[in-house]
Amino acid sequence: GAVVSQHPSWVICKSGTSVKIECRSLDFQATTMFWYRQFPKQSLMLMATSNEGSKATYEQGVEKDKFLINHASLTLSTLTVTSAHPEDSSFYICSAVRASNSPLHFGNGTRLTVT
Amino acid sequence: DAKTTQPTSMDCAEGRAANLPCNHSTISGNEYVYWYRQIHSQGPQYIIHGLKNNETNEMASLIITEDRKSSTLILPHATLRDTAVYYCIVRPQGGSEKLVFGKGTKLTVNP
Repeated sequence: GAVVSQHPSWVICKSGTSVKIECRSLDFQATTMFWYRQFPKQSLMLMATSNEGSKATYEQGVEKDKFLINHASLTLSTLTVTSAHPEDSSFYICSAVRASNSPLHFGNGTRLTVT
Repeated sequence: DAKTTQPTSMDCAEGRAANLPCNHSTISGNEYVYWYRQIHSQGPQYIIHGLKNNETNEMASLIITEDRKSSTLILPHATLRDTAVYYCIVRPQGGSEKLVFGKGTKLTVNP
């Protein structure tokens, strides 16, 4: 089946620093990738839609200057949390879709802790 | 906003069938029903999807009512590893491909 790899699986950083999370589709090309965030005991919340070669589309309330998304190739999207603060601590999950009307496949998430 | 309603939690005995209901009374004709599950601290896992007809794969069966206003995910022989949060999601055919997650059903399989 389709495999989406996320790296790192967990990261601890100090307040004010930036953290980059990578999302790769390992066995297919993904024109579209999605970034979600999940707080404890809550559901997944969509942050943004990432299209290869174009600017990401952010959901309402998500700061585009704080959560930088780059989708430079058909197999790689990155999410950079800039100037991280403790309230950014969360579980970040990416997903990718192979083709229109096919299922989304998810990475295993990145646990970010900002101290 | 999520367009589905699911029970908050359910319990099932190991080895028995787990039947997870989902209401999607406002579903449109071009919207699919998707099921995912999320085991603790992992990313969601795709299970199955369907439009009108019942579907079956190696993981589960999906039963969609004739009016398409509700569906049931069936895990035929639940195991302890099936303990997870199960999400029922409606997704338009074509157009935006994003998935909007509701709160899902926490299924606990008991020994």
